[in-house]
Amino acid sequence: DAGVTQSPTHLIKTRGQQVTLRCSPISGHKSVSWYQQVLGQGPQFIFQYYEKEERGRGNFPDRFSARQFPNYSSELNVNALLLGDSALYLCATGQSSYNEQFFGPGTRLTVL
Amino acid sequence: SQQGEEDPQALSIQEGENATMNCSYKTSINNLQWYRQNSGRGLVHLILIRSNEREKHSGRLRVTLDTSKKSSSLLITASRAADTASYFCATDNDYKLSFGAGTTVTVRA
Repeated sequence: DAGVTQSPTHLIKTRGQQVTLRCSPISGHKSVSWYQQVLGQGPQFIFQYYEKEERGRGNFPDRFSARQFPNYSSELNVNALLLGDSALYLCATGQSSYNEQFFGPGTRLTVL
Repeated sequence: SQQGEEDPQALSIQEGENATMNCSYKTSINNLQWYRQNSGRGLVHLILIRSNEREKHSGRLRVTLDTSKKSSSLLITASRAADTASYFCATDNDYKLSFGAGTTVTVRA
């Protein structure tokens, strides 16, 4: 079985731009969560979607939004990029939010 | 804010030695998970221990959980160079995982 996939692998943007990151879950997984990991820190929770509905949101501004599609894949959008948005963005999927969460390889976003 | 806190922040051991790292957390949990991260890439799931379990084994890994002390430990036995990585504990509270800052383990050949 393929693992969690994320695209793109790397991304360079300038301040004020918008970015869309994508995640495809493991087959059978209906829960998708997004995390931001700044260098030297642990991942911080951004969103969780289960069965295409938002279940929870972390302490992130409204510039961050996400959605989940009928095939359970997900997109994370970040508008009006700031330098501080530079980070590794990780997607995690699971059969539900109460089971093991499996992470993708991440998207490295650099904002200049 | 981060719920779990790993200790120590960094650990350097000789190949073949055991590595132990600890995790403390603040609120009640459904389960606690340990992850490994190599070179700032994706996290690899190592083990999940539920709140009603006290100890769990997986290969060379042993995890304990003490809910009365709100703490967990991860033991890696007979370490190998490939175990060099950052290790994170994550507490599962409802729908999200809360991570600590991690323990960086270096295994010297």
